[in-house]
Amino acid sequence: EDQVTQSPEALRLQEGESSSLNCSYTVSGLRGLFWYRQDPGKGPEFLFTLYSAGEEKEKERLKATLTKKESFLHITAPKPEDSATYLCAVQPLTSGTYKYIFGTGTRLKVLA
Amino acid sequence: NAGVTQTPKFQVLKTGQSMTLQCAQDMNHNSMYWYRQDPGMGLRLIYYSASEGTTDKGEVPNGYNVSRLNKREFSLRLESAAPSQTSVYFCASKTGDSQPQHFGDGTRLSIL
Repeated sequence: EDQVTQSPEALRLQEGESSSLNCSYTVSGLRGLFWYRQDPGKGPEFLFTLYSAGEEKEKERLKATLTKKESFLHITAPKPEDSATYLCAVQPLTSGTYKYIFGTGTRLKVLA
Repeated sequence: NAGVTQTPKFQVLKTGQSMTLQCAQDMNHNSMYWYRQDPGMGLRLIYYSASEGTTDKGEVPNGYNVSRLNKREFSLRLESAAPSQTSVYFCASKTGDSQPQHFGDGTRLSIL
């Protein structure tokens, strides 16, 4: 069964304390993996797409990496405004292109 | 830069009442989606429309109907609301097969 698991569920960091969020997936072939940021009361905001193992994408303090079984979202020297829930979604290769499997997210809190 | 617009933002219904959630996108996207988000669960697909004129069931379609009114608009209808349908509903759209989805800010629905 296709599955996406994110860890940890919640993470508290001091401002400037770098860390990584994990997205592990079990699918029969990967069409794409997507990272989103969700602020309270808002919809998910698209961050990155990764398509193949070894690929990396970077934006400001965020860097996403991909292996054959998991993806990491690295946050370097985070600021309080990086506090949000980060969602991972996987689009399996063997399902229709409509299918996206979402993880339950990691709630990140960055303290000043 | 409106993107995906959902109305209403909040709604309280009584059990058995009906209502329609509206969604419109101005990005000329072909595909549109309706999800529900519940605590501790990933986003779950209710219905989707791969292109104008087509709609299909997702993972949790029971109790819902949809209409793809035109390329821009995709509505979700609850014919007889039940407390189990209390949730946050998100509409999303995307342009192509392996592209990310773009989300609206959601409708927070409570059914008493």
